[in-house]
Amino acid sequence: EAGVAQSPRYKIIEKRQSVAFWCNPISGHATLYWYQQILGQGPKLLIQFQNNGVVDDSQLPKDRFSAERLKGVDSTLKIQPAKLEDSAVYLCASSSTRESYEQYFGPGTRLTVT
Amino acid sequence: AQSVTQPDIHITVSEGASLELRCNYSYGATPYLFWYVQSPGQGLQLLLKYFSGDTLVQGIKGFEAEFKRSQSSFNLRKPSVHWSDAAEYFCAVGNTGNQFYFGTGTSLTVIP
Repeated sequence: EAGVAQSPRYKIIEKRQSVAFWCNPISGHATLYWYQQILGQGPKLLIQFQNNGVVDDSQLPKDRFSAERLKGVDSTLKIQPAKLEDSAVYLCASSSTRESYEQYFGPGTRLTVT
Repeated sequence: AQSVTQPDIHITVSEGASLELRCNYSYGATPYLFWYVQSPGQGLQLLLKYFSGDTLVQGIKGFEAEFKRSQSSFNLRKPSVHWSDAAEYFCAVGNTGNQFYFGTGTSLTVIP
């Protein structure tokens, strides 16, 4: 079975620019997560989707971050405008309804904001 | 609120030696506990998980972890470390809403 796919793998932008990341979860997984992992820290949940609905976005900086999962499959995370402190790895994960506690992670997108 | 503490930022062990990585959690109810491993440039891979039942859980790659409620701990162990085990290890606690809270990680170096 194919794993969680993310693109791009690396992105370098200047501050105040915008950027978008894409995630395709494992086929059939209803729940999708976006995490932010700053260097030297553990992943922090940004947003959780159940199908195409948002379950939790309490830690998403909504003034600059947005995410969508329009058809309940793949998802896009956007940052606009980016700040230096947004430099991090953005991880996408998915889980199935049957094994909801087992999250499968993608390889991540490493964002550098200069 | 849930939280996870991994007291050791970095650990160095010799190949073939035993390993124990510490994890302490804070959670009001019975926790769901996980250990993940992250190799450079890779996503997180689940090593093992604890939901209920036997407090000693076995995982992949020869790892095991023991849940100790009285100590709020879920330490990861391996009897004999291999050079390929060098990586970052994360402990996480999950709640009934499937939300995970990760520790800050422990970096493992294995010396020949």
